Amino acid sequence: EIVLTQSPDFQSVTPKEKVTITCRASQSIGSSLHWYQQKPDQSPKLLIKYASQSFSGVPSRFSGSGSGTDFTLTINSLEAEDAATYYCHQSSSLPHTFGQGTKLEIK
Amino acid sequence: EVQLVESGGGLVQPGRSLRLSCAASGFTFDDYAMHWVRQAPGKGLEWVSGISWNSGSIGYADSVKGRFTISRDNAKNSLYLQMNSLRAEDTALYYCAKESGWNDAFDIWGQGTMVTVSS
Repeated sequence: EIVLTQSPDFQSVTPKEKVTITCRASQSIGSSLHWYQQKPDQSPKLLIKYASQSFSGVPSRFSGSGSGTDFTLTINSLEAEDAATYYCHQSSSLPHTFGQGTKLEIK
Repeated sequence: EVQLVESGGGLVQPGRSLRLSCAASGFTFDDYAMHWVRQAPGKGLEWVSGISWNSGSIGYADSVKGRFTISRDNAKNSLYLQMNSLRAEDTALYYCAKESGWNDAFDIWGQGTMVTVSS
């Protein structure tokens, strides 16, 4: 099973700040890494697929990069509505796995 | 509108069974792989099981292998999860999710159905 480790687990940030969340895989997964946003009492929403492809309708301040074992989700100019928990997910091999999540709090 | 609606959750005693359903609409159901993902209260996301468009490829998390069975009925645009020998640690919100391709991201999620395993 491929283990995904996100960092940090929690971050408190101010609006307009730039945020970087990392996801490290226990073995190479190519670019089969996806990012989701989950707000309280809502279902997860796809933000980025295949490491860097923005999903339809996602604001341009969200971007992704990386390949192999190290990946990054970047949020430029953070907005209050970005308060949420962010998860990475690998689909390179079964079983699919998720990172433990990174909770963003807006100051 | 593309939509996934789960049903079948509830309170069940340990060791008993439950069958979850997911009704899909707004897209060509039999073109896509489908998955179940769960989230225990206050915890993160855990992939449970996935099935290819034609049921030819199926996978399970080790935590449910041998107890849960995923299936689909393309004629009814429906996905199912038969859960047997339920344990307290299976208590979670169960989401149905559509895969964008195969070995791809999950682009559509349902609202979830809650399963509580308790005596």
